[in-house]
Amino acid sequence: AQSVTQLGSHVSVSEGALVLLRCNYSSSVPPYLFWYVQYPNQGLQLLLKYTSAATLVKGINGFEAEFKKSETSFHLTKPSAHMSDAAEYFCAVIKSGGSYIPTFGRGTSLIVHP
Amino acid sequence: DADVTQTPRNRITKTGKRIMLECSQTKGHDRMYWYRQDPGLGLRLIYYSFDVKDINKGEISDGYSVSRQAQAKFSLSLESAIPNQTALYFCATSERTANQPQHFGDGTRLSIL
Repeated sequence: AQSVTQLGSHVSVSEGALVLLRCNYSSSVPPYLFWYVQYPNQGLQLLLKYTSAATLVKGINGFEAEFKKSETSFHLTKPSAHMSDAAEYFCAVIKSGGSYIPTFGRGTSLIVHP
Repeated sequence: DADVTQTPRNRITKTGKRIMLECSQTKGHDRMYWYRQDPGLGLRLIYYSFDVKDINKGEISDGYSVSRQAQAKFSLSLESAIPNQTALYFCATSERTANQPQHFGDGTRLSIL
């Protein structure tokens, strides 16, 4: 069965520091990969997606993620954290072929300190 | 107006009551999903539907039922609510192709006393 692992249920950074949120997946075939963000009292919103074009994907709000097949990873980064980036972040994977139902990671809460 | 609308946004009810959560969408998507979110557990799929005549169980369907009344409407029912069904519930939609993301409503916070 496909799985998605997000390392760290909470990540704490200072404002202006690098943000790195980790996502690893288990799949023998490169899947479709997504990062979503959830702000308080809201649903999930798409940050970015990887669909086998460029391995470095740029998303909204200055976030980007790099697909590394050899490491089965799709880590999310942002060079400089803002207070407004504080939210829950979810990695999701859709396996190529099949019913295309996504599998979500358990989420990482990003805390940004002034 | 929101593309995916969930009603109610908040609900407090008692054990044993029947509850219906509703979801409607204006995106024209065929696929609709119901998830529950619990702290530390992420999103877990309850039911999903690929079109009006298609209903499928997810990983945690026990205690829940759904109805797809139209392409735009997908409701979730708890026939006899129990306290461990207290959670945040999300409806989502998506297109048929694999490389398209899901679109989520703002959720229903359900508390069962």
